[in-house]
Amino acid sequence: QEQVVESGGGVVQPGRSLRLSCEVSGFTFSNYAMHWVRQAPGKGLQWVAVVSFDGGHKYYGDSVKGRFTISRDNSKNTLYLQLNGLRAEDTAVYYCARDRADSSAWSGALNVWGQGTVVTVSS
Amino acid sequence: DVQMTQSPSSLSASVGDRVTITCRASESINNFLNWYQQKPGKAPELLIFAASSLQSGVPSRFSGSGSGTDFTLTISSLEVEDFATYYCQQSSTTPYSFGQGTRVETK
Repeated sequence: QEQVVESGGGVVQPGRSLRLSCEVSGFTFSNYAMHWVRQAPGKGLQWVAVVSFDGGHKYYGDSVKGRFTISRDNSKNTLYLQLNGLRAEDTAVYYCARDRADSSAWSGALNVWGQGTVVTVSS
Repeated sequence: DVQMTQSPSSLSASVGDRVTITCRASESINNFLNWYQQKPGKAPELLIFAASSLQSGVPSRFSGSGSGTDFTLTISSLEVEDFATYYCQQSSTTPYSFGQGTRVETK
């Protein structure tokens, strides 16, 4: 079945870096835009970033722009999120999610989600 | 950036009740509005996309309506498994944004 599995979370000190990965299976990864969404403890959902099906287009949320980088390797069926300059407010569960549109123009609706990976930024 | 405001933030309801949640965008987003359900400790699940289209596998008691700035999610007859938190999300313009959530609790 269609599945995405995140990894790479952990406890990191403020200012340090971390790279999250999202490995997918059960669908043709290279056909879909992919997103990252996060959720701070006890809070709501926050959209983080999107990358187009071919990696050619990337957009970010205001709070992570310039610090986080989304990328993908279609040969490895894997999505990445590089987190630099981490802050306490970046502490959250990070979800990888697939766009529901199977096309070059993504819809922004997310219909396949992983279980999330936890990032804790603390000294 | 587009701001999304949901109301109410929480509500108490009983099995069989009709439940309505509203979502308002700070500017027109046409019909680029999606609804998700999230249960504690779980990832969100897509219920409705493009304001009124039911995602495959989602029960027909869920429905969505609206366009422009005002949207509604309706559960026609609440089931036990529907007690959860619901989020709207605009996908008209990046950065995409979610509402703050509506928690549906048992009365």
